[in-house]
Amino acid sequence: TQLLEQSPQFLSIQEGENLTVYCNSSSVFSSLQWYRQEPGEGPVLLVTVVTGGEVKKLKRLTFQFGDARKDSSLHITAAQPGDTGLYLCAGARSGGSNYKLTFGKGTLLTVNP
Amino acid sequence: DAGVTQSPTHLIKTRGQQVTLRCSPKSGHDTVSWYQQALGQGPQFIFQYYEEEERQRGNFPDRFSGHQFPNYSSELNVNALLLGDSALYLCASTAGGYEQYFGPGTRLTVT
Repeated sequence: TQLLEQSPQFLSIQEGENLTVYCNSSSVFSSLQWYRQEPGEGPVLLVTVVTGGEVKKLKRLTFQFGDARKDSSLHITAAQPGDTGLYLCAGARSGGSNYKLTFGKGTLLTVNP
Repeated sequence: DAGVTQSPTHLIKTRGQQVTLRCSPKSGHDTVSWYQQALGQGPQFIFQYYEEEERQRGNFPDRFSGHQFPNYSSELNVNALLLGDSALYLCASTAGGYEQYFGPGTRLTVT
């Protein structure tokens, strides 16, 4: 059972366009992380959101955590070829001090020059 | 500041063999988690080690086992390899908070 659904699965756009990717779940998470992964490499942490309704900005990337802490979105403004990669959302549920990450399947973004 | 390191980078094994993968956590981190990422999928949680003990485990068979050493480094062992075990194996470390930092992974191919 995939607890985190990401959409779209694939996205190909031109440089300069804006885009939004979504991460949805029926479960509540203590926090949600967004990662970017290049082929053959490990995921690189972009941001962590922990409070319902929280919005974080990282240069041209804007991340939002849903009010109910079940969903999140990533918006990229004026995409550049360097933004190309696999974007993964991962939710953490706390059990004491344990944090197991549950990942979505990812959104594969290609930004064409 | 060294990040998470993993070895080897690539590995090719035959069905039925055993394999050991290694991970050194980021400096200051004491908790190590292992994930399996099949092609086209997100990483799947295998287990987590803290204070040299397995603290949490995902839905993986007993063929998958691990160990954590006093210096917080960790090993993942897989016995009786199956073709379906071919994947990128990722190690992630944390100091106990939400944020986990991943290594570059070990690409395991089972033939």
